[in-house]
Amino acid sequence: DADVTQTPRNRITKTGKRIMLECSQTKGHDRMYWYRQDPGLGLRLIYYSFDVKDINKGEISDGYSVSRQAQAKFSLSLESAIPNQTALYFCATSDPLDRTYNEQFFGPGTRLTVL
Amino acid sequence: RKEVEQDPGPFNVPEGATVAFNCTYSNSASQSFFWYRQDCRKEPKLLMSVYSSGNEDGRFTAQLNRASQYISLLIRDSKLSDSATYLCVVNGANTGNQFYFGTGTSLTVIP
Repeated sequence: DADVTQTPRNRITKTGKRIMLECSQTKGHDRMYWYRQDPGLGLRLIYYSFDVKDINKGEISDGYSVSRQAQAKFSLSLESAIPNQTALYFCATSDPLDRTYNEQFFGPGTRLTVL
Repeated sequence: RKEVEQDPGPFNVPEGATVAFNCTYSNSASQSFFWYRQDCRKEPKLLMSVYSSGNEDGRFTAQLNRASQYISLLIRDSKLSDSATYLCVVNGANTGNQFYFGTGTSLTVIP
């Protein structure tokens, strides 16, 4: 079983709809991240959380919100989706105490299309 | 100015060739450096961390030049399975431990 899972894997929605992307991990890591990936722009950080009570905005948080329901779960919401939020979304985890020194472990991604 | 910049390529090389990628970063206080590999439509996966002294893992060699703020990845004896996008990643405590990703360099190894 995958250590970091994301649901749904693919989603097509319409402008103005509320969308929630979910991420779960079994790695026991405290740190979780949400990124989006666009062609030519690379991965950009949306939000990150260092523990259940800690939420931080990343580079491109406008139009998004997050919820850290438990150590293992970190959800990303688009309150009112717009077409330029069409992208590939990745969840990731990390633990700076890992001997691999801060490696990030990614989920398989959610491909979101906003029409 | 972007935090991390990479030549997007594409690099098309024959099997057995040696290929090198470079990456520059803008924040001189950055502390951790990595190369990730991403296959088409898949998640990024760590290829190797980059240490100041340089490090090697089989056919892959990574080097860091702090004075010039660049990171390099050398792949020797390229295999078809090396075809992927290679992402340069930088992290620093002074940036709230955020990771900054380059846009990636595309490599295709040709039979």
